[in-house]
Amino acid sequence: AQRVTQPEKLLSVFKGAPVELKCNYSYSGSPELFWYVQYSRQRLQLLLRHISRESIKGFTADLNKGETSFHLKKPFAQEEDSAMYYCAPFRFNSGGSNYKLTFGKGTLLTVNP
Amino acid sequence: DTEVTQTPKHLVMGMTNKKSLKCEQHMGHRAMYWYKQKAKKPPELMFVYSYEKLSINESVPSRFSPECPNSSLLNLHLHALQPEDSALYLCASSHPPGTGGETQYFGPGTRLLVL
Repeated sequence: AQRVTQPEKLLSVFKGAPVELKCNYSYSGSPELFWYVQYSRQRLQLLLRHISRESIKGFTADLNKGETSFHLKKPFAQEEDSAMYYCAPFRFNSGGSNYKLTFGKGTLLTVNP
Repeated sequence: DTEVTQTPKHLVMGMTNKKSLKCEQHMGHRAMYWYKQKAKKPPELMFVYSYEKLSINESVPSRFSPECPNSSLLNLHLHALQPEDSALYLCASSHPPGTGGETQYFGPGTRLLVL
């Protein structure tokens, strides 16, 4: 069965500390992997996409195909990083007729001053 | 215009009412989506339209009826809803899968309360 797991429901760190939000997936084939973020009272938005290899707001994510993980990392957390973070694999079949972005349950990150 | 807009922002309806949610984008995206998000839960996919045709229905009850009148607009018609349908309804758009542009852009949502 296709599954995405974010083991930490809540994560609290102090400003300036490193942060890692974990994501593990179980999918057949090679899904495209995304991290989406939802700041308080703002819309859900893309934070990072694996294929683009961009670093957004200091966040990076490394795809580990052996461990089927796509953990999100930032070396020095800022208070404005406090938000809900969703790992979201995207998969479509070769015919393109069945595709879906599936969200993990999310990790609520709180960065304390 | 790089935003997805949704109207109304809030909606309260009775179980016998008929209402519609609207979504609009002008980014040239030909895939549009409806999601349902309950409090403290992740968004759950309901429907996908690709090139104005319904391509995915995630076994959504028929009291929800989607419509895509053109490439910029997406509607969700509501009829005889139940209180458990109260949620935040999100619209999103993207380039169609397989084009490399699968990043989805989300609207702010319509917060629906069914009494």
